[in-house]
Amino acid sequence: EAGVAQSPRYKIIEKRQSVAFWCNPISGHATLYWYQQILGQGPKLLIQFQNNGVVDDSQLPKDRFSAERLKGVDSTLKIQPAKLEDSAVYLCASSAKEIYNSPLHFGNGTRLTVT
Amino acid sequence: AQTVTQSQPEMSVQEAETVTLSCTYDTSENNYYLFWYKQPPSRQMILVIRQEAYKQQNATENRFSVNFQKAAKSFSLKISDSQLGDTAMYFCASFTGANSKLTFGKGITLSVRP
Repeated sequence: EAGVAQSPRYKIIEKRQSVAFWCNPISGHATLYWYQQILGQGPKLLIQFQNNGVVDDSQLPKDRFSAERLKGVDSTLKIQPAKLEDSAVYLCASSAKEIYNSPLHFGNGTRLTVT
Repeated sequence: AQTVTQSQPEMSVQEAETVTLSCTYDTSENNYYLFWYKQPPSRQMILVIRQEAYKQQNATENRFSVNFQKAAKSFSLKISDSQLGDTAMYFCASFTGANSKLTFGKGITLSVRP
């Protein structure tokens, strides 16, 4: 079974620029999550999709962050414009069912550095 | 709201020895789930072990076991016969059906010395 794929692996941008991250979940996984992991902290949920609908985006800074999941498969997360405090690892995860029934499968993340 | 606290920022253990990683949590829910995740330098989070709150028996997965103290809201991870490949960050996490959100602690860096 292929894992969760993310790209790019690393990205360096200047503040006020825009950036996009891509995630391809495990085939058949209905639920997709984007987490932000700042250095020295645990991952924080940004947005959760169930198929192509948003379940939870309460911690997504909507003035600068946006995410979509077209056709309930791949997803992109965009930041525009980026701020210095957006420097973090962005993790994508997917699951077949609810977290308590089915474990989350994580990708390797994208490390974003904003200068 | 759920909170997960990992107060030890880092620990070190000799290869083949046993180490215990601490975690406390807070939730007002009766039905919840607890997890330990491992994050090696590759950054990929890997599920180590899970515990259902309604089960009194502590979960065990090979060399990994938990000490789940529900009244104290404590959920520690014991790693027996530590191996070099256990070197990683370990995150404690909780999940409740009320908000369907997985909440992580800050993590602990574990180093296994040869």
